[in-house]
Amino acid sequence: SAVISQKPSRDICQRGTSLTIQCQVDSQVTMMFWYRQQPGQSLTLIATANQGSEATYESGFVIDKFPISRPNLTFSTLTVSNMSPEDSSIYLCSVEEASGGQFFGPGTRLTVL
Amino acid sequence: EDKVVQSPLSLVVHEGDTVTLNCSYEVTNFRSLLWYKQEKKAPTFLFMLTSSGIEKKSGRLSSILDKKELFSILNITATQTGDSAVYLCAVIKAAGNKLTFGGGTRVLVKP
Repeated sequence: SAVISQKPSRDICQRGTSLTIQCQVDSQVTMMFWYRQQPGQSLTLIATANQGSEATYESGFVIDKFPISRPNLTFSTLTVSNMSPEDSSIYLCSVEEASGGQFFGPGTRLTVL
Repeated sequence: EDKVVQSPLSLVVHEGDTVTLNCSYEVTNFRSLLWYKQEKKAPTFLFMLTSSGIEKKSGRLSSILDKKELFSILNITATQTGDSAVYLCAVIKAAGNKLTFGGGTRVLVKP
């Protein structure tokens, strides 16, 4: 399967600031996704990162809060804007491979104080 | 609304025991069901099941899907402490690629 890396691995941020998370894949993939896992919860899809066009957001998530870039088929960024403690979560990117399976990056653990 | 329910919520076993995890789903236009193991941050892919009745096996882990009764089970035999994790199941619909996750089952294997 594709090798997926994320940066940063973890961060502690002050409320009101923004953090950009990067996701890099070692091969070209059509479908890339961003998920959030709040403490004690399961994973929830934030959006599908579309190459060359605006991301497709799930209900409850908006572009102003979670802007996403996808400049090419191997890279995407997710920004968490104007953070509050409720944004403390693990953020994960995933890719769908030709087999149809989805594979996850190592995740970014974000703590907002 | 699509729904994925896992049971039990958690369980504690001793090394060598066998565990069976359950995942039931209600989704329209079902395509596949996936199982993941999550130890720290990232879920690790275990299985993807698309066809009913065909068991998938990897070492001590196996899984099967029943598309008539809308459920899947994940079996772990001869458990080891390294099997301690949260096990997640998720479904993908035929239209789109979104994963809908269940709440997970937390497994603790004691020495």
